[in-house]
Amino acid sequence: SQTIHQWPATLVQPVGSPLSLECTVEGTSNPNLYWYRQAAGRGLQLLFYSVGIGQISSEVPQNLSASRPQDRQFILSSKKLLLSDSGFYLCAWSRGEDTEAFFGQGTRLTVV
Amino acid sequence: GNSVTQMEGPVTLSEEAFLTINCTYTATGYPSLFWYVQYPGEGLQLLLKATKADDKGSNKGFEATYRKETTSFHLEKGSVQVSDSAVYFCALTYTGGFKTIFGAGTRLFVKA
Repeated sequence: SQTIHQWPATLVQPVGSPLSLECTVEGTSNPNLYWYRQAAGRGLQLLFYSVGIGQISSEVPQNLSASRPQDRQFILSSKKLLLSDSGFYLCAWSRGEDTEAFFGQGTRLTVV
Repeated sequence: GNSVTQMEGPVTLSEEAFLTINCTYTATGYPSLFWYVQYPGEGLQLLLKATKADDKGSNKGFEATYRKETTSFHLEKGSVQVSDSAVYFCALTYTGGFKTIFGAGTRLFVKA
């Protein structure tokens, strides 16, 4: 069966510090991968998605970047965090177009 | 473009009450429709889905019917429990698209 791992679960970082969140998927190959952000009490904002190694599509211009160094690994990064980067970050995968998404447990990021 | 609109919350019900959360969509072609549930502090889980018109998705006592004529996919449950308290997201995917389009989410509180 397929599983998705996302870590860390909770992170408190100072303004201006770097960020690296990692997500890995097991039990499938060539998944589509996604990073979402969810502000407190709000809906989901798609940040990045990837349909293959090294292929990254950005949905919103911002302080973050994403990379896919391996087929089942997706990394969200920032060189310098802003207060506005605080939120709940969710990684997800899907098998292909027009299919459901499977989500990780999320990372709660607080920038102080 | 493709979009999902769902009723604003929060929705507060007493245990054993009937639940309806409205969802309508705009899409070209024939999208697949989904309901996801998010329990506090967790990622999203697929609750049910329907891939073509008149299909009924069901799971854990929840059900929703894909109505093409009204472009709707309303979520219903006959008797809610306290454990159903969560945020519910209506969503769609479409042929040729790699992204899931989410509604804003509806928070449900069920009181004992």
